Amino acid sequence: DIQMTQSPSSLSASVGDRVTITCRASQSISSYLNWYQQKLGKAPKLLIYTASSLQSGVPSRFSGSGSGTDFTLTISSLQPEDFATYYCQQSYSTPYTFGQGTKLEIK
Amino acid sequence: QLQLQESGPGLVKPSETLSLTCTVSGGSIGSGSYYWDWMRQPPGKGLEWIGAIYDSGSAYYNPSLKSRVTISVDMSKNRFSLNLSSVTAADTAVYYCARRLRNRAATIDHFDYWGQGTLVTVSS
Repeated sequence: DIQMTQSPSSLSASVGDRVTITCRASQSISSYLNWYQQKLGKAPKLLIYTASSLQSGVPSRFSGSGSGTDFTLTISSLQPEDFATYYCQQSYSTPYTFGQGTKLEIK
Repeated sequence: QLQLQESGPGLVKPSETLSLTCTVSGGSIGSGSYYWDWMRQPPGKGLEWIGAIYDSGSAYYNPSLKSRVTISVDMSKNRFSLNLSSVTAADTAVYYCARRLRNRAATIDHFDYWGQGTLVTVSS
């Protein structure tokens, strides 16, 4: 199985901050990397697919980059509704695997 | 707007079979280019992919659960189902169904619609 490791596991930030979350794969996954946002008690929501493509309806302050083993999710200017847990997920091979999550909290 | 809704018992006894159904509305389960997947999330933990089925009925599973999992589809009722046998407390989780968009070249492959999730507790 491909292991996905996110850093940090938790992060405190303020409204308006620029935030970057990192995801590392245990082997090269080309650009087969997706990002999801999950709010408490809700299902995950797709933000970014194939490393850098913005899902329809997702604000442009979210962006993704990377290829191979190292990927980043950036939120350019944090909004109150962005405080949630973020997961990366590889779609390079089955079984599909997720990172352990990064919890973004209000400072 | 596509919607997915999980249904099934919220409490299952150890050693029994967990059975859940995901009903799809607002779109056809047989419309092609889509896979229909199950994931789970133990309380306070991360996400685990369980398996998937295509509209042809072809299914594939996470090897860690393969011996206990069956996913099936009922095109006439626009729904797909999950059976997980011989459950233990470790199977207690929120179970999600989701649609996965995968193009023919497999250059796009992601979960774009999710159900709200249903908590299944394994306890006697």
